[in-house]
Amino acid sequence: EVQLVESGGGLVQPGGSRRLSCAASGFTFSSYWMHWVRQVPGKGLVWVSRINHDGTRTTYADSVKGRFTVSRDNAKSIMYLQMTSLRAEDTAVYYCARGLIRWSEDAFDLWGHGTLVTVSS
Amino acid sequence: DIQMTQSPSSLSASVGDTVIITCRASQTLFSYLNWYQQKPGKAPRLLIYAASSLESGVPSRFSGSGSGTDFTLTISSLQLDDFATYYCQQSYSTPLTFGGGTKVDIK
Repeated sequence: EVQLVESGGGLVQPGGSRRLSCAASGFTFSSYWMHWVRQVPGKGLVWVSRINHDGTRTTYADSVKGRFTVSRDNAKSIMYLQMTSLRAEDTAVYYCARGLIRWSEDAFDLWGHGTLVTVSS
Repeated sequence: DIQMTQSPSSLSASVGDTVIITCRASQTLFSYLNWYQQKPGKAPRLLIYAASSLESGVPSRFSGSGSGTDFTLTISSLQLDDFATYYCQQSYSTPLTFGGGTKVDIK
């Protein structure tokens, strides 16, 4: 089955760190750009970061630049989001999403179910 | 950053109605505009990419149009399964940005 499964969410204290994982299956992971998108419950979608197919290019939203790092292990078909210096405003459901290979890598044709990160003391 | 403005933010409609949602960008996107559907507690689902291309498996009652800065998503003959929130998203430049969403509920 073609799917993405996120893990690693939970409660983190302000200033703390957390690593999210996104495990891919059912497709050739190494061929696709991958993204992280977050959503505060009840609010809209916000793009966070992307990584190209081989991990050599990454891009971040200004709100997380310098604090979050996206990486991938194509041998394991996993993408990661290392989050540091976490703030209350980082509280959200974090989705991983696959870039649309046949037109623009910046449209998202496959999404995980999301993992909730709560930053609170 | 490219700002995406959706309207309306919510609407009420009946089964069988035709629904039109608009999305305006703060600068030209050419055709780099995508539409997603999201139901409560679920991940978004891609409906339309490249402004007017229907994603595989999406019913043909969904259609997209527009180019440049103004785009529309049309749902013809609304079905019960279509009551959800819809988002537009630009993929022209980073940071990638979404519209604020349009919630479609039952009248």
